[in-house]
Amino acid sequence: DTGVSQNPRHKITKRGQNVTFRCDPISEHNRLYWYRQTLGQGPEFLTYFQNEAQLEKSRLLSDRFSAERPKGSFSTLEIQRTEQGDSAMYLCASSPTWGPDTQYFGPGTRLTVL
Amino acid sequence: DAKTTQPTSMDCAEGRAANLPCNHSTISGNEYVYWYRQIHSQGPQYIIHGLKNNETNEMASLIITEDRKSSTLILPHATLRDTAVYYCIVRRLTSGTYKYIFGTGTRLKVLA
Repeated sequence: DTGVSQNPRHKITKRGQNVTFRCDPISEHNRLYWYRQTLGQGPEFLTYFQNEAQLEKSRLLSDRFSAERPKGSFSTLEIQRTEQGDSAMYLCASSPTWGPDTQYFGPGTRLTVL
Repeated sequence: DAKTTQPTSMDCAEGRAANLPCNHSTISGNEYVYWYRQIHSQGPQYIIHGLKNNETNEMASLIITEDRKSSTLILPHATLRDTAVYYCIVRRLTSGTYKYIFGTGTRLKVLA
């Protein structure tokens, strides 16, 4: 499968713990996006990378959230001191820098904070 | 911001065409219309996109009005597996990024 992959698919944690999610984009896709989706809502943009550079962050990305893409390939999203309000589906998407820039999404990581 | 308006939900009989409307009256001339769908607990799946002309691929057809203020996604022969939430998105360039602004979408239920 050459699509976007995300790990883990599900994560249950206790409030106050740190969690880290990984996204592996489609090979050769330079652009990588993180979105968050809560129940009954559409995905909301969190942050965007072009290669290893983080070019935009949403106001939704509080200082407890950090994202990296150290070598311009896979990316990680870390949430520190999780809160119950962080419970959501975290989606990763990637797109090439050529053509219409269509974003292809991964299956998501569902986080539950108890 | 160019926003989209979609009906909250629709039903369609299996084997019939499903026509999903979307209004985007504030769309700019260089903004694309994208359609995605999301089946329960999965990531959004790309369906089709267009700028001005009607488009067709193996999944669906996209009809964009001449004034570009609305569009319709057509699934020509809906199956039970097409039951999903369908999102119409206007892709704009903001601060150098092509982020998507999702609404709440249309929940399509295909009935046997």
